[in-house]
Amino acid sequence: DVKVTQSSRYLVKRTGEKVFLECVQDMDHENMFWYRQDPGLGLRLIYFSYDVKMKEKGDIPEGYSVSREKKERFSLILESASTNQTSMYLCASGRLDSPGNTIYFGEGSWLTVV
Amino acid sequence: GENVEQHPSTLSVQEGDSAVIKCTYSDSASNYFPWYKQELGKRPQLIIDIRSNVGEKKDQRIAVTLNKTAKHFSLHITETQPEDSAVYFCAASKKSYGKLTFGQGTILTVHP
Repeated sequence: DVKVTQSSRYLVKRTGEKVFLECVQDMDHENMFWYRQDPGLGLRLIYFSYDVKMKEKGDIPEGYSVSREKKERFSLILESASTNQTSMYLCASGRLDSPGNTIYFGEGSWLTVV
Repeated sequence: GENVEQHPSTLSVQEGDSAVIKCTYSDSASNYFPWYKQELGKRPQLIIDIRSNVGEKKDQRIAVTLNKTAKHFSLHITETQPEDSAVYFCAASKKSYGKLTFGQGTILTVHP
């Protein structure tokens, strides 16, 4: 069974703080993704990575950065958190050569910036 | 880039009725169309998917249809049950690192 684990389920941070969201997958997947989920907007891709130390911008990368030092771990970084980054963040992973490009999600991290 | 539009945003049905959710996509190169179900407080989970070389796929009470010419695809749920209540997301991708573009989501409520 695929397991994608996000280390923090609920966080409250202050404006201007640096925030790290960690994600680990145990299926040796090449691809990892960070999505943001907001009501009425669906899931929007922030960044993705198809290999260690590789990263690609998604649709809404502004205000975020990522790090992938090991294949199983993909971190999302908010350099200076702002209130408009209050949201649910979903990490996902999948195989590069998956015939259906199926991806598997973590449980999500609820971030509130005050 | 790809753009996926999903309708309706909310759908309320009586138990036993059918539910249909529709999505349109913009990139004719997209070739994979999954549907995810997200129950309250839980992660999105894949429930069914379809590839562009197939027009319809069925799995028990759920089915997906694809019209490549019109660039739209739909989820059909028959004999709905209260446990079908959830948020449903459609998505589209082409063979580019498996990146999925999602629709806005549909909140389905099935009333007993």
